[in-house]
Amino acid sequence: NAGVMQNPRHLVRRRGQEARLRCSPMKGHSHVYWYRQLPEEGLKFMVYLQKENIIDESGMPKERFSAEFPKEGPSILRIQQVVRGDSAAYFCASSRDSVGTDTQYFGPGTRLTVL
Amino acid sequence: SQKIEQNSEALNIQEGKTATLTCNYTNYSPAYLQWYRQDPGRGPVFLLLIRENEKEKRKERLKVTFDTTLKQSLFHITASQPADSATYLCALDPLGSASKIIFGSGTRLSIRP
Repeated sequence: NAGVMQNPRHLVRRRGQEARLRCSPMKGHSHVYWYRQLPEEGLKFMVYLQKENIIDESGMPKERFSAEFPKEGPSILRIQQVVRGDSAAYFCASSRDSVGTDTQYFGPGTRLTVL
Repeated sequence: SQKIEQNSEALNIQEGKTATLTCNYTNYSPAYLQWYRQDPGRGPVFLLLIRENEKEKRKERLKVTFDTTLKQSLFHITASQPADSATYLCALDPLGSASKIIFGSGTRLSIRP
């Protein structure tokens, strides 16, 4: 059973471009979470999605950031018009049931560098 | 304000000794608390979950305690090994719900041979 897959592993963008990060949850998992981690800092919750629904987006900036988890295909975190401050590692996690009642499994992360 | 605090400085332990990591929180009433391990360049790996009605939980060489009065969790690794060297993160549910968890900034643990 493959783990959580994220791609690309490394992404370089120039300021003003769009970054699109993909996350394929583990088989049978319908709950997806996105986190951002800056160097030497902990993970910051961004958004929690179930298939086709955003459950909690309280940690996601209102502008430029969006997330989706379509019925078919991976979850996508989209960052429009990237700025240098968006440079970070972005981790996706998935669980079979909601976190707290079930373990969440993390992917290897996408390291975004904005030049 | 709401905070989760972990030892900010790295912890250096001699192999074979017990490593103890601390997680303190303020202004939360979590239903549970989790501990994760993170190696450089990798995603966190879940280790243990302890619920508010549990005082202690063990898994092999790992032991976690949860004191809701002190608002503190302790994470112990007994008979530590160099392979235990990593950053350890604590996390809790800020609203007692299952919608999201909040992470501490982590403690870097180094076990020297």
